[in-house]
Amino acid sequence: EPEVTQTPSHQVTQMGQEVILRCVPISNHLYFYWYRQILGQKVEFLVSFYNNEISEKSEIFDDQFSVERPDGSNFTLKIRSTKLEDSAMYFCASSDHSQETQYFGPGTRLLVL
Amino acid sequence: KNQVEQSPQSLIILEGKNCTLQCNYTVSPFSNLRWYKQDTGRGPVSLTIMTFSENTKSNGRYTATLDADTKQSSLHITASQLSDSASYICVVSAASGTYKYIFGTGTRLKVLA
Repeated sequence: EPEVTQTPSHQVTQMGQEVILRCVPISNHLYFYWYRQILGQKVEFLVSFYNNEISEKSEIFDDQFSVERPDGSNFTLKIRSTKLEDSAMYFCASSDHSQETQYFGPGTRLLVL
Repeated sequence: KNQVEQSPQSLIILEGKNCTLQCNYTVSPFSNLRWYKQDTGRGPVSLTIMTFSENTKSNGRYTATLDADTKQSSLHITASQLSDSASYICVVSAASGTYKYIFGTGTRLKVLA
C-alpha cells in the first residue's frame, strides 16, 4: 500500500540554524500538508500546498517557514532560523483530488538546542 | 473561535469491553469531521470522515456518530483489543475556500489484558 515517507526521522539542531524536513507524498496525490505536534500537545495545522503554491497557512507559519516542491516527488518544509520552541514532531500529509482523507507520514522529530 | 473539545482525556478499559469517546466542536462553517487513531510516535491514521448530512459511519469495530445540530460526535469502539491502545483525535474541518483543520487534544485510550 502506498504511504507517505519522511526524512529524517530525527533531527537535532542548534538554535538559529536552518533545517529542511523532507517528505515524499503518495505519488498520485495533489494536496500536501505540514502539521506539527509539540510534545504532549495537540496536532496543529501549518500549511497546505496545491498546484505549486500555498493554498492556506496558519498563524504559526510565519516568515521563518517556507515550503517547496523542488521536483515531482519531494515536498519540503524549511525553517530558516530555528528557535527552541520549534522543537516538535513535524508531520507531512497528502490527499488526492477529493481531499477526503489525508494520509500522514511517520513524522520527523525535531529537537532544537 | 473554532474549537474542538474531546472527553475523556484518558480512558482505561479491559480487553473485550466497549467504549465511547466524545467530541464537541464550535467550528463554523462546518465542512466535515474526522476521527483519527494515533499510535505513540506515529502519524495519525484516518478512521472515519463524516459530512453534515451523515449521522453514522462505521469502519469495522469503530462507529462514529455526528449530530450537526448539537455539534457533537462520538466514536464507539466495540470489543476492544490491546492494539486499540492509542490516542483518538477528532478533527473538524471548516469550509473556508480551502479546508482548515482544527484538531482536538485527543483521548488517550489504554486497553488492558
